[in-house]
Amino acid sequence: IAGITQAPTSQILAAGRRMTLRCTQDMRHNAMYWYRQDLGLGLRLIHYSNTAGTTGKGEVPDGYSVSRANTDDFPLTLASAVPSQTSVYFCASSELGAGANVLTFGAGSRLTVL
Amino acid sequence: DQQVKQNSPSLSVQEGRISILNCDYTNSMFDYFLWYKKYPAEGPTFLISISSIKDKNEDGRFTVFLNKSAKHLSLHIVPSQPGDSAVYFCAASARGSGAGSYQLTFGKGTKLSVIP
Repeated sequence: IAGITQAPTSQILAAGRRMTLRCTQDMRHNAMYWYRQDLGLGLRLIHYSNTAGTTGKGEVPDGYSVSRANTDDFPLTLASAVPSQTSVYFCASSELGAGANVLTFGAGSRLTVL
Repeated sequence: DQQVKQNSPSLSVQEGRISILNCDYTNSMFDYFLWYKKYPAEGPTFLISISSIKDKNEDGRFTVFLNKSAKHLSLHIVPSQPGDSAVYFCAASARGSGAGSYQLTFGKGTKLSVIP
């Protein structure tokens, strides 16, 4: 089934450790995104990439980095995790063009930083 | 400043009745509005969208209404079913020439409970 694959599904991490959340899409969409979902705060954009080789900062980029070496993969790295990064992380993709920008989301990665 | 607001954290509706979820926005440059539905432990899924040049879009049991002068949109679900119980997110985007164009800004969500 075409879509977004995220890994890991869930992870508990000690503060200060480095962590990379993986995201792969098989729809050949040009744009990819990382959101975090926190109770009472909804979905907030961390980083995005409109096309392979380019990235941009979203609403809450601090403490996170991304890369887009190819069309399909968009990993999110926490260089030194802190407890405030405990959240559910969603990767998404879309085909930018005319009309509404409809994102397809992955199932999420639940991260707990202790 | 929150550009997309869903002021009701939760809503309970009897099965078979109408569910109305509301969303307000502040950015007059938004040109598309979308609704997403999210079940626990799953990613959000797209429901329906509307262009700013329209005031209504319908897809089966789901209808979205847009009132540009009031900067308000609503999602109507008729009739409501227990399987509609989920968190609903309103989102908006503004088309422009900058690198950040097209990005979706989400509201905080409204949890809908449809009671059998």
